[in-house]
Amino acid sequence: AQKITQTQPGMFVQEKEAVTLDCTYDTSDPSYGLFWYKQPSSGEMIFLIYQGSYDQQNATEGRYSLNFQKARKSANLVISASQLGDSAMYFCAMREGGNTPLVFGKGTRLSVIA
Amino acid sequence: DGGITQSPKYLFRKEGQNVTLSCEQNLNHDAMYWYRQDPGQGLRLIYYSQIVNDFQKGDIAEGYSVSREKKESFPLTVTSAQKNPTAFYLCASRNTGPNRELFFGEGSRLTVL
Repeated sequence: AQKITQTQPGMFVQEKEAVTLDCTYDTSDPSYGLFWYKQPSSGEMIFLIYQGSYDQQNATEGRYSLNFQKARKSANLVISASQLGDSAMYFCAMREGGNTPLVFGKGTRLSVIA
Repeated sequence: DGGITQSPKYLFRKEGQNVTLSCEQNLNHDAMYWYRQDPGQGLRLIYYSQIVNDFQKGDIAEGYSVSREKKESFPLTVTSAQKNPTAFYLCASRNTGPNRELFFGEGSRLTVL
């Protein structure tokens, strides 16, 4: 079974609008962490934001916020005020327990339109 | 500057040849990882190492081998036994701790002719 599911292969958003990228996860471990990465066309992976399973508040980093709904096992990334430079692949990932490797979803390709 | 260096960036190989991808980090990270990326597949874990002289298989280790003789280095060998080696390979590292993110290299694109 997939541990990380990203159901949107591709998304379009108008410049300056907000966009939500979906991520659901599957784990029975009470301790886990959720990560979002951005991959531009150049290929490097850029860390965006982290949410721990015990964190009481949703994580925010600048224009990025994580809509964490623990009961639904979802960790959606919200990008506010989209910019052309936000066009990229976005990956959701999870780490179970303290030190296991990250497991990645298949990604969502975001295209920002001027 | 601290970071992860992967080389070569692009590599072409004939079928039946082994090839080694280099990964060096100067971040003093304990753990290092190799992921493979295919179109539409996301990143899949090949091997990882949490300490020098120790490594574990990931989900798709068949046809690959690694070594971790130094903390800074984690080379990946793609052997002739790997049936479909054409892919984008990403090396990563991190400090231990549950909320520590992975830092990635720029990747190596391997094409088998």
